[in-house]
Amino acid sequence: NAGVTQTPKFRVLKTGQSMTLLCAQDMNHEYMYWYRQDPGMGLRLIHYSVGEGTTAKGEVPDGYNVSRLKKQNFLLGLESAAPSQTSVYFCASSPEGLAGGNTQYFGPGTRLTVL
Amino acid sequence: ILNVEQSPQSLHVQEGDSTNFTCSFPSSNFYALHWYRWETAKSPEALFVMTLNGDEKKKGRISATLNTKEGYSYLYIKGSQPEDSATYLCAFYDSWGKLQFGAGTQVVVTP
Repeated sequence: NAGVTQTPKFRVLKTGQSMTLLCAQDMNHEYMYWYRQDPGMGLRLIHYSVGEGTTAKGEVPDGYNVSRLKKQNFLLGLESAAPSQTSVYFCASSPEGLAGGNTQYFGPGTRLTVL
Repeated sequence: ILNVEQSPQSLHVQEGDSTNFTCSFPSSNFYALHWYRWETAKSPEALFVMTLNGDEKKKGRISATLNTKEGYSYLYIKGSQPEDSATYLCAFYDSWGKLQFGAGTQVVVTP
């Protein structure tokens, strides 16, 4: 099993450009999450999904959109990148919600720089 | 503003020494406390999920305790080894279904 994978690993964008980050998991997990990680701050939840075809906003959703067309994939889109979106983005998945004592499985991260 | 605070932000430990550090979280609306270990250039990996006041968990030389009434958890590393060098994250899961991460404690173990 590959676990949780993310593509690309690195990307540099110019302000105003768009891009999509792909997260894939092969563990048949229902829940998937997108986080951003900035220096001195904890991981912050951008959007999450509780199952195929569903998405919901997290703590910092502005400027991002997501889609979960297939259970194994969770896409994070930036329609018009801004320098404030320079960050490291982590995808995670869990078998079900976290209420049952489940933990999250994280991908390796995508380092995004917006100039 | 982080509701989940970890201290210290970083610490250096000599190989063989034991150490511990703290995660503080709101004492209300508690549901679970997660600990993750995050090595440089790798993904965070789950260590423990703790749900009951007084819980103690152990994995090898790493253990954790939980006090939900006062809102803190300690993580202990006994006989630190260089491979224990990592950032340790805690995350507070509240009864509203929200998971908040702390900024982490970076542990550097020197031979």
